[in-house]
Amino acid sequence: DTEVTQTPKHLVMGMTNKKSLKCEQHMGHRAMYWYKQKAKKPPELMFVYSYEKLSINESVPSRFSPECPNSSLLNLHLHALQPEDSALYLCASSQGVIYEQYFGPGTRLTVT
Amino acid sequence: EDQVTQSPEALRLQEGESSSLNCSYTVSGLRGLFWYRQDPGKGPEFLFTLYSAGEEKEKERLKATLTKKESFLHITAPKPEDSATYLCAVRVFGLRLTFGEGTQLTVNP
Repeated sequence: DTEVTQTPKHLVMGMTNKKSLKCEQHMGHRAMYWYKQKAKKPPELMFVYSYEKLSINESVPSRFSPECPNSSLLNLHLHALQPEDSALYLCASSQGVIYEQYFGPGTRLTVT
Repeated sequence: EDQVTQSPEALRLQEGESSSLNCSYTVSGLRGLFWYRQDPGKGPEFLFTLYSAGEEKEKERLKATLTKKESFLHITAPKPEDSATYLCAVRVFGLRLTFGEGTQLTVNP
């Protein structure tokens, strides 16, 4: 089973709201990732967790706050977002950072 | 700077018309090349990993090959359900993948 699940599928939020995106995998993978994808562009890396520790933060604004409560779960907390943050947010996991990444279906975020 | 270039940007084929997608890369020390398929509004689906020049992988109508400068994704007798965007990504030293811009494939019945 190579399934990564993400909730919610769609999210509409105002610029003053606080919301969270959730990601879960049960493949025993020790690396998890958050990506942002705009229409007709490739995914852009935001954060990498390896063994539940933040390894990479690609200079992402502080209004995005990642959290890895355990090896199966990854959250992305959102606060005071801007309309330009509207995008498809993808979670991925891999057995280790050198292996192929498996992506979830994504959360379509719209900021109004 | 690591660069990944995919061509063509878009490709339209008739059902059964075989073709190839190209991914050329300029990187210092390839640690893996990955092919993904992405349907509109969905997450990328992993297809293949290639690590060294001369390596080939096959899955159904798809075959991926790797040289020292580029990778090809060969599609044999495509069907309409093969329509998608195909993404190539490379990993060099470190944790990041560098993605190409993708090739949007349309297969007409």
